[in-house]
Amino acid sequence: QSVLTQPPSASGTPGQRVTISCSGSRSNVETNYVYWYQQFPGTAPKLLIYRNTQRPSGVPDRFSGSKSGTSASLAISGLRSEDEADYYCAAWDDSLSGPVVFGGGTKLTVV
Amino acid sequence: QVQLVQSGAEVKKPGASVKVSCKASGYIFTNYAIHWVRQAPGQGLEWMGWINGGNVNTKYSQKLQGRVTITWDTSASTAYMELSSLRSEDTAMYYCARDRTDTPSVWFDPWGQGTLVTVSS
Repeated sequence: QSVLTQPPSASGTPGQRVTISCSGSRSNVETNYVYWYQQFPGTAPKLLIYRNTQRPSGVPDRFSGSKSGTSASLAISGLRSEDEADYYCAAWDDSLSGPVVFGGGTKLTVV
Repeated sequence: QVQLVQSGAEVKKPGASVKVSCKASGYIFTNYAIHWVRQAPGQGLEWMGWINGGNVNTKYSQKLQGRVTITWDTSASTAYMELSSLRSEDTAMYYCARDRTDTPSVWFDPWGQGTLVTVSS
């Protein structure tokens, strides 16, 4: 049972816009930054979004992050087949659950 | 460029200990924390703990407290994660990751390539 809640799966067709949600609480998402990681099968996770909305250099602007209250979202526009991967949200947690908590991950399928 | 290279796969028996290394290059090792994260087969990511460069402070997850120890050898720019009293549920890929800030956060970049630890009798 993960502290942050993500849908286990999401899907979209090429060119579509897809959003992945990350639901938390006051002690994590609401009061701290949210980060997103992308993981392809058999490889290490890679930083995708930091500090809620910021993209590291090299990450396409098709990827965007947002946050409101106790929820955060990752949006992928202009979906491409190579976006098919697992996506994880993470945040600092000020409660006994912390200090670092992850979502359970969302498997994105491009159909 | 900043890189983390981990030691090779391990197979251990239940009750044994395992020590995984993470060699850093491309930056001043003690300026940033190193975190350890594990991923059981087909499962999500689980944070295990960190070692903080500035004051060599460590912090562990409540779940693993007492079984996990994170250390480092600054002369070798290498961090270590030792997990004791292994059980089958500890079978997982173990990753190290560098923190991007000078105080521990959730900003992990880059990650090591991972070390598979298999616990089997």
